[in-house]
Amino acid sequence: GNSVTQMEGPVTLSEEAFLTINCTYTATGYPSLFWYVQYPGEGLQLLLKATKADDKGSNKGFEATYRKETTSFHLEKGSVQVSDSAVYFCALRDLEYGNKLVFGAGTILRVKS
Amino acid sequence: GAVVSQHPSRVICKSGTSVKIECRSLDFQATTMFWYRQFPKKSLMLMATSNEGSKATYEQGVEKDKFLINHASLTLSTLTVTSAHPEDSSFYICSASPLPGAYEQYFGPGTRLTVT
Repeated sequence: GNSVTQMEGPVTLSEEAFLTINCTYTATGYPSLFWYVQYPGEGLQLLLKATKADDKGSNKGFEATYRKETTSFHLEKGSVQVSDSAVYFCALRDLEYGNKLVFGAGTILRVKS
Repeated sequence: GAVVSQHPSRVICKSGTSVKIECRSLDFQATTMFWYRQFPKKSLMLMATSNEGSKATYEQGVEKDKFLINHASLTLSTLTVTSAHPEDSSFYICSASPLPGAYEQYFGPGTRLTVT
């Protein structure tokens, strides 16, 4: 079946450091890939998405590229801020499985000033 | 826009009692709502999908008689955990979609259920 694996956290960085959160997936079809962010006390928000191989999703300085050859969708940001502290979820949606979202376990990011 | 609320945010109940969790779409009509469960350090697991006015579709392994879902209006869905036990303690999250299916989902902040 479909699954998403992302790096365990927490990830602790200093402000302005480079961020990478790894995400790999297993899917039988051609899924769309997503990154969601959950700030403390709030619901999950869509951060970025990519719908086909080699697409790059980007938003708020975050980027992720859909790599079919490595089945990966790693999240990156060149310079993190304290306000980026949150939980980040990688997810996929596969039309062959009823278009449902399948989530990774989430990675806690803590940015220190 | 696209705000989803959940109530309560936190609830503690005794074993054997039932607990109802509400999920509301505040500024849009949700044709489809989803209920997820999240265990510590685990991913969100989809429990069921509900469309307004029809019966919910439960995922494999989810007891429909234990987790009652009602989607009576386009802005409200409820999840009732019946005869709760400590193993039902978890974080329950709902999401809502303005379109049929799961095209775009807007998530609520979650409800922490603790069964003592």
